Amino acid sequence: DVKVTQSSRYLVKRTGEKVFLECVQDMDHENMFWYRQDPGLGLRLIYFSYDVKMKEKGDIPEGYSVSREKKERFSLILESASTNQTSMYLCASSLHGSTGSYNEQFFGPGTRLTVL
Amino acid sequence: AQTVTQSQPEMSVQEAETVTLSCTYDTSENNYYLFWYKQPPSRQMILVIRQEAYKQQNATENRFSVNFQKAAKSFSLKISDSQLGDTAMYFCAFMKSQGAQKLVFGQGTRLTINP
Repeated sequence: DVKVTQSSRYLVKRTGEKVFLECVQDMDHENMFWYRQDPGLGLRLIYFSYDVKMKEKGDIPEGYSVSREKKERFSLILESASTNQTSMYLCASSLHGSTGSYNEQFFGPGTRLTVL
Repeated sequence: AQTVTQSQPEMSVQEAETVTLSCTYDTSENNYYLFWYKQPPSRQMILVIRQEAYKQQNATENRFSVNFQKAAKSFSLKISDSQLGDTAMYFCAFMKSQGAQKLVFGQGTRLTINP
């Protein structure tokens, strides 16, 4: 079974702190994604990566950065956390299929981040 | 840009009843995928069912089936013989078949199955 793990289930940080959210997958997937989940808004894509050291902005990248130094690990960084970044953060991974093909995205358990 | 809309924030039915969750989307693409994901309370998001836009036949997975109306851009999920374990947030999602495999999600529907 595919396993996507996230470093923390719950995290509390203070405004202005630098925050690292870690995601690890064990199935050699090329694609990795970071989503933010908010009530009434669903999930929104922050960043994604289709290979080591590659990254692309999603729909809401402002205030975030990412790092992918190893294939299995994708980190989300909040350079200076703000209260409006209080949210649930979900990581996902998938194989990088050929054009027109589909590969299922597998999700981690999520990290609920509170910024005070 | 693609958008996905779920107009039912919450639904509640009795166990064993049938329930239908609605989803509409907007896209100019001709080929794409549509999904329903389930997020149980405090548990991981899992894929429930998938539909390829080029297939006219509606997808089914055991008690879960979809009604895919491409012209109307509608993609509803029907859960038959609902069970307590079906209680969850349900998200409708869209993915283009070409390019980056990014999911676009709807707002979600919180479904409660009552005993």
